[in-house]
Amino acid sequence: DSGVTQTPKHLITATGQRVTLRCSPRSGDLSVYWYQQSLDQGLQFLIQYYNGEERAKGNILERFSAQQFPDLHSELNLSSLELGDSALYFCASSPWYSLNTEAFFGQGTRLTVV
Amino acid sequence: TQLLEQSPQFLSIQEGENLTVYCNSSSVFSSLQWYRQEPGEGPVLLVTVVTGGEVKKLKRLTFQFGDARKDSSLHITAAQPGDTGLYLCAGDRGSTLGRLYFGRGTQLTVWP
Repeated sequence: DSGVTQTPKHLITATGQRVTLRCSPRSGDLSVYWYQQSLDQGLQFLIQYYNGEERAKGNILERFSAQQFPDLHSELNLSSLELGDSALYFCASSPWYSLNTEAFFGQGTRLTVV
Repeated sequence: TQLLEQSPQFLSIQEGENLTVYCNSSSVFSSLQWYRQEPGEGPVLLVTVVTGGEVKKLKRLTFQFGDARKDSSLHITAAQPGDTGLYLCAGDRGSTLGRLYFGRGTQLTVWP
């Protein structure tokens, strides 16, 4: 158990809909990352938050947004969903004291868009 | 374009064989990590290497960071079915608590 909690574990929704994925980082970790994993693209970095503020942005679509709340949990919002958004979405967190970024991953949310 | 290229993409071997997985880049990394991922689970950190030329051993797994800090390798001795999984390398470009760049992974299957 990595200590990172993601909900829900599975999500099935229709095209055009909006969903919210939730992540609780490990206790004390200030940094949260979101990744998308698909068979053809591998693990793609979406966005990073550090102590409530956006720190780095990767290949995140404009239809997607994220935020980190004062209690450090984070949410990833996916809207106007398309079939191609079906993937595994992972949240990871890093300890504040780590000199080298070491990511601890949650179990992921498997999103299926039908 | 992936910053980190892993090879081979797939590896299917018999129990007891040795294998090496490679992770290469034209970029320098301040640290490099290896993760193992099983189906339906998130990647799990195996090791972090930070010094050029560094070698770390974890039981039957040996990790090496290239002298120039642009590449790494993972060697498994006497592979076992329990080693089956997706092995991912990831690099840190140097900013503290910055993003990690992942390779696309090597899917290893070890047959009994």
